[in-house]
Amino acid sequence: DAGVTQSPTHLIKTRGQQVTLRCSPKSGHDTVSWYQQALGQGPQFIFQYYEEEERQRGNFPDRFSGHQFPNYSSELNVNALLLGDSALYLCASSFGNRGFVRNYGYTFGSGTRLTVV
Amino acid sequence: QQPVQSPQAVILREGEDAVINCSSSKALYSVHWYRQKHGEAPVFLMILLKGGEQKGHEKISASFNEKKQQSSLYLTASQLSYSGTYFCGTEFDDMRFGAGTRLTVKP
Repeated sequence: DAGVTQSPTHLIKTRGQQVTLRCSPKSGHDTVSWYQQALGQGPQFIFQYYEEEERQRGNFPDRFSGHQFPNYSSELNVNALLLGDSALYLCASSFGNRGFVRNYGYTFGSGTRLTVV
Repeated sequence: QQPVQSPQAVILREGEDAVINCSSSKALYSVHWYRQKHGEAPVFLMILLKGGEQKGHEKISASFNEKKQQSSLYLTASQLSYSGTYFCGTEFDDMRFGAGTRLTVKP
């Protein structure tokens, strides 16, 4: 049973560029949440997608945007990259039913390590 | 809105016990605990629900005080494999994580 798949695993971009990160949720999951994890810090919530719509959003600027496709996979786009955007970006999947999350938690991917130079 | 974890780091010998605390300023639906090893994805350990129901791990237990909006993770008779960073996640409308507690278990 494949878990959460993220691509690419590593990425180096130049300040000002744009980047797209991809996530395929665990089979049977329909909700995708994105997190930014700086070195030595906890994951910071970016946003969550359910039924192809952004359901919740954390305290991130509009440079961070996303999309969810009909097959539940998701993309995270970051425009006008800043040095401070360098981090591990984690995707977590779950089933939309809140009862599910409260019983089984989130399944995380291994992340995409983004370095902005 | 993020939960606050303590301590920031713990160093143990095999067989010793540890407690990791997590507190929130908001009323919660649930508290989750995850462990992340270096370079790996966070792995779900345990969830505590309002009403005291607990689901999780064999040798790791936890408590959830709803009134105080606090949770504690208890690791007993620690093993080398327990090493990693432990995060609590508090669920309200979405999941927010604490800064983590780095646990190192030495032989």
